[in-house]
This record gives sequence, C-alpha cells and structure tokens, in this order.
Amino acid sequence: EIVMTQSPATLSVSPGERATLSCRASQSVSNKLAWYQQKPGQAPRLLIYGASTRATGIPARFSGSGSGTEFTLTISSLQAEDFAVYYCQQYNNWPPNTFGQGTKLEIK
Amino acid sequence: QLHLQESGPGLVKPSETLSLTCTVSGDSVGRSGYYWGWIRQPPGKGLEWIGGIYYSGNTYYNPSLKSRVTISVDTSKNQFSLNLSSVTAADTAVYYCARLVGVSFFYYMDVWGRGTTVTVSS
Repeated sequence: EIVMTQSPATLSVSPGERATLSCRASQSVSNKLAWYQQKPGQAPRLLIYGASTRATGIPARFSGSGSGTEFTLTISSLQAEDFAVYYCQQYNNWPPNTFGQGTKLEIK
Repeated sequence: QLHLQESGPGLVKPSETLSLTCTVSGDSVGRSGYYWGWIRQPPGKGLEWIGGIYYSGNTYYNPSLKSRVTISVDTSKNQFSLNLSSVTAADTAVYYCARLVGVSFFYYMDVWGRGTTVTVSS
C-alpha cells in the first residue's frame, strides 16, 4: 500500500497571501494524484486531478504541480472560503486509493 | 446534474452488519467508464477508501477491510450498496458514496454524496 504524507499538518496564512501545501508518496505514483478540499460538515470536493488539472469550476488561484513522489498544491491569493482541510490522494496503484492525513489551512 | 445520496441506519450494534445504499440521480450506474465507490471518515480523522464497483459488477476492496466488505450494484434502481459485517466501534464514521472517473485503470472521485453518519454502539 502506498503511504501518502502531507505537510505541514496545520498551516496558518493571512487572507490574500499564498499557501503552499505538500504531499509525498512512499513510492512513485506518476501523475495520478488528486487534491480535495473539505470544509466542516461537508463532503470533500475535488480540486485537482492528474497532479495539475483543475476540476470543473475550480478557480484559477488553485494550482497543482509535481510528479513521481513529490507534489504541491498552491493557492495563490487566499480567500476567506479557502480555509479548510486539504487532502491529497493517489490513484496510481489501487486498491486501495490512499489519502494523506490532511493539512488544515487556518486563518493567521 | 449528478447527485448522490446515502441512506441507511444511523445506529448499528456491535457484531452486526452495516448496510448503506447510495441512490444516484443525473447519471446511470449502468453506464460504462465509471466506478462507484464508498469512502469513510471516522470522527475527527482522515479519509479511508473502502471499495468500488463497476457497472458490470467487478469490485475492488481495500485489503484492510476486504474480509468484511461487500459492494453491489442495482442498475434497475440506479443504486449501489455497501455491506460491512462484524462491525465494532472502530467502524463508527461518516460514510460517503462517490463516483469514480478516469482513464485506463486510473480512477479518482469527482462527485461525492453528502455523507451519512453511522455509529456502532449497543
């Protein structure tokens, strides 16, 4: 099973600033990496798939990069609605699809 | 617009079987090219993939749960279901159903249901 590790566990950033979230895979997952956003009491929402392709309706301030074992989600200018928990998930080698433990993005 | 809705008992006794159904509207579970899956999230914790099913009935399960999980599909009702046997308190979680999309054999979840809370307790 591929282990996904996200860092940091919590990230404090001010509105309008840039946020950079990291995700590392225990072995190569090529570009088969998705990012999800989850707000309290809600289901996760797909942001990015294929490591760098934005899902339908996702604002351009969200961008993904990386391949192999190292991935990054960048939010270029944080809006109030962006403060949430973010999960990465690999789908290169399944079952199971495996998720990272999440990064909580909080207001500084 | 695609919509998924989970339903089932919110309380299950230890050692019994948890049974949930996901009703799909706006798409057909019988359409080729998609998997339909279940994911859970224990209180205050992260996401765990349980398994998925293709319209043909092919299933893929998380090895850690495989001995207790059955996922089935009913194309006539446009539903798919989860059975998890011999539950314990560790199975208490919010259970989500989702559609899996992708190409070749690489599938990720693009649309999720709102989730349903299941508590295992006597």
